[in-house]
Amino acid sequence: EAQVTQNPRYLITVTGKKLTVTCSQNMNHEYMSWYRQDPGLGLRQIYYSMNVEVTDKGDVPEGYKVSRKEKRNFPLILESPSPNQTSLYFCASSLSPSGSYEQYFGPGTRLTVT
Amino acid sequence: GQQLNQSPQSMFIQEGEDVSMNCTSSSIFNTWLWYKQDPGEGPVLLIALYKAGELTSNGRLTAQFGITRKDSFLNISASIPSDVGIYFCAGNYINQFYFGTGTSLTVIP
Repeated sequence: EAQVTQNPRYLITVTGKKLTVTCSQNMNHEYMSWYRQDPGLGLRQIYYSMNVEVTDKGDVPEGYKVSRKEKRNFPLILESPSPNQTSLYFCASSLSPSGSYEQYFGPGTRLTVT
Repeated sequence: GQQLNQSPQSMFIQEGEDVSMNCTSSSIFNTWLWYKQDPGEGPVLLIALYKAGELTSNGRLTAQFGITRKDSFLNISASIPSDVGIYFCAGNYINQFYFGTGTSLTVIP
């Protein structure tokens, strides 16, 4: 089954404790992206990657890091999480390097930073 | 970042009624997209629009890409209970995506 998976689905952590949210897709997609969703603000793009070893900042990259060492995986790293990073995070992928527009979204990761 | 203004914020309608929502931007986009999000899930693409003026249908859904490239609308005809959810517009410009704030749709049977 074609899908985007994220782990963990739920995470509660404390300020400053480094964490990684994994994202994996099995569709051989080149474009992958991370979003955060906050009430009243819709989805905002954090980082995106057009291919292995190619990553770019989205609209809200501050406080986040990403890497793309393999085509299927695109982890999101919070080196020193803060409470304002409490949010619902989505990973997405699509076929084309320019986005293809048929983005497939993962199920989401709900992060709480206390 | 680019701002997308989506309206209305919420709608409560009777089953069978038609629905209309729209999105405007201060900047032009190359592509307009409409997504639906059900509770606890990620957004799912409903319609993609690639050219200014384009009018596209997907079943009971119809969407248009505005001539100015700064706006788009989505219509849902003859609403049914499973149309309930949050609808998002999104614009694509040079590999980046910008989303509207969403329209929450409630359908009353």
